[in-house]
Amino acid sequence: DADVTQTPRNRITKTGKRIMLECSQTKGHDRMYWYRQDPGLGLRLIYYSFDVKDINKGEISDGYSVSRQAQAKFSLSLESAIPNQTALYFCATSAYNEQFFGPGTRLTVL
Amino acid sequence: GDSVTQMEGPVTLSEEAFLTINCTYTATGYPSLFWYVQYPGEGLQLLLKATKADDKGSNKGFEATYRKETTSFHLEKGSVQVSDSAVYFCALSDFTSYDKVIFGPGTSLSVIP
Repeated sequence: DADVTQTPRNRITKTGKRIMLECSQTKGHDRMYWYRQDPGLGLRLIYYSFDVKDINKGEISDGYSVSRQAQAKFSLSLESAIPNQTALYFCATSAYNEQFFGPGTRLTVL
Repeated sequence: GDSVTQMEGPVTLSEEAFLTINCTYTATGYPSLFWYVQYPGEGLQLLLKATKADDKGSNKGFEATYRKETTSFHLEKGSVQVSDSAVYFCALSDFTSYDKVIFGPGTSLSVIP
């Protein structure tokens, strides 16, 4: 079984809809992250969490929110999706400076 | 702020060719440096890392040396295979940033038989 899982793997939605992307991990790590990947831009950090009570904004948090329901679960929400949020989204955990990534969620906003 | 620059792709090589992907960084502290690889349809996975100047990271035939004097961490492999086709990301992390990682834009590599 994968250590970091993401659901859904693919999602197509319309402008203005609320969307939640979910991430679960079995690695036992406290630190979790949400990134988006766009062609030519690499990965950009949206939000990160160092434990259940600690949530921090990354470089591109506008238009997104997160919830850390438990050590193992970290969800990303788009309250009102817009087309420029079309991207590949990755969840990751980390320990000792190494990051462990989920398989990604491909989100398309029409 | 800290940043990572990589050579632009895509890079296309024939099997058994020599690979170099250039990476330079800007950092105020003393970062750890990483190469991550992303195979088609998958998330990123750590390929190799180096934590201090002159360290050499190596894995699966790939190598990179942490050069503080030139602020570089170039990725090399002596003989690429078709299975090395992927996107390669150079990245840095500073201990003062609590495991936050800054990624370069990625370099796409295609290896043809």
